[in-house]
Amino acid sequence: NAGVTQTPKFRVLKTGQSMTLLCAQDMNHEYMYWYRQDPGMGLRLIHYSVGEGTTAKGEVPDGYNVSRLKKQNFLLGLESAAPSQTSVYFCASSYHDSHSKAFFGQGTRLTVV
Amino acid sequence: EDQVTQSPEALRLQEGESSSLNCSYTVSGLRGLFWYRQDPGKGPEFLFTLYSAGEEKEKERLKATLTKKESFLHITAPKPEDSATYLCAVPSGYALNFGKGTSLLVTP
Repeated sequence: NAGVTQTPKFRVLKTGQSMTLLCAQDMNHEYMYWYRQDPGMGLRLIHYSVGEGTTAKGEVPDGYNVSRLKKQNFLLGLESAAPSQTSVYFCASSYHDSHSKAFFGQGTRLTVV
Repeated sequence: EDQVTQSPEALRLQEGESSSLNCSYTVSGLRGLFWYRQDPGKGPEFLFTLYSAGEEKEKERLKATLTKKESFLHITAPKPEDSATYLCAVPSGYALNFGKGTSLLVTP
C-alpha cells in the first residue's frame, strides 16, 4: 500500500526553467492538495482539487499551474521557475473533504538557482 | 480570517520530562482540529482529530485535548524517538490551515 507518492524527491532548476511535479495516490481519494513548506512560514496551500477534472487556487497559487486529468494523479507545474519557488513541496490527499484526515507524500525538495 | 497559532516554537526536554504543546485557533465554527507529526525530511503523519470541546484522544505517550479556544498535546514521559515537529491544523474551506509547528527535541 503505497499511499501518496511524489516524484521526483529532489530537483535543482535554473531560473526560467520549467518542470512538473507528479503526485499519485492509490487510496481512491477525491480531494488532493499541493502545499509548500518554508522555514518560519509553515505549510501553505498552493492549489487543490475536489475531484477528477477540477482544480482551484489556494493561498499562494502565483507561478504554479495544476492538472487533475485522472483521479489518482495531481500534477504541479512551474512554467518559469524563480528563486522564490525554492521550497519543499508536499502533496496530500483526503477521502472527501477537509474534515477527513489528509495523507501526505514524502515531499519534493526543489532548489531554483 | 481563520488563524492557528502554536507555542512554543521549540521545546527541549529531558527523557521522561513531561510537558504540553499548545495550539490556539480562531475559526468561525470549528469542524475539527488535527494533530500531525513531521519527522525531518518526511511528510506530516496524522496523529489525531478532535471535533468537540472536552474531547480527548490518546496514543502511546501522547494525549490530545480540545477546548473552545485551544488544543493541547500532552507528552508523558517522552523518549528520544518522540523528537519531531508537531503540527496542528483546522479545516479552512476545502483544505487544512496549518500552524507553524512546535519542534520538539527529547534528549537522553
